Amino acid sequence: KAGVTQTPRYLIKTRGQQVTLSCSPISGHRSVSWYQQTPGQGLQFLFEYFSETQRNKGNFPGRFSGRQFSNSRSEMNVSTLELGDSALYLCASMGAGPPYEQYFGPGTRLTVT
Amino acid sequence: AQKVTQAQTEISVVEKEDVTLDCVYETRDTTYYLFWYKQPPSGELVFLIRRNSFDEQNEISGRYSWNFQKSTSSFNFTITASQVVDSAVYFCALSEAKAAGNKLTFGGGTRVLVKP
Repeated sequence: KAGVTQTPRYLIKTRGQQVTLSCSPISGHRSVSWYQQTPGQGLQFLFEYFSETQRNKGNFPGRFSGRQFSNSRSEMNVSTLELGDSALYLCASMGAGPPYEQYFGPGTRLTVT
Repeated sequence: AQKVTQAQTEISVVEKEDVTLDCVYETRDTTYYLFWYKQPPSGELVFLIRRNSFDEQNEISGRYSWNFQKSTSSFNFTITASQVVDSAVYFCALSEAKAAGNKLTFGGGTRVLVKP
């Protein structure tokens, strides 16, 4: 099976712009989660989508949003970018039911200047 | 609220030495899952092992082993006979077993440097 794929791998944006990141889960996985990784805050959960519905959300401002399509692919959007949004954004997919192992993609490295 | 603490920020060893990574967690749930992930320089998080809260049996998988002790809320991980390729950041993570929604709570990570 192909693993989780994320596009683009690297992105440079300017403050105030918006950005959309994409994630394709492992075939058959319906749950997609997003995480932000920064040197200061570590790995933090953003949100999880399952069957096109957001079913769990972390403590991030409303500028961070996401969606999931019928084929389970997911997109994450960040509007009005701030310097502090520079991070590695990781997407993870998971199969149904326990044991809740999440498989991660290679991440998108976002730099905001 | 869940919390995972990895007190060791960095460990340096010489190849073939054993490495033990400490992890302490907090959760109010009685059913939960614990994980170890490895993050090599490429950035991708690689799943290593998982343990259910209701199974305290410790196991060995190849060069990896883990020691899960519910009484002390610890889930330590050992790499036996370390190799240079084991150099990476290792994360301990906790997931509560809820029907609606899942999220991983990660520790701060431990950087392991294996020198030849």
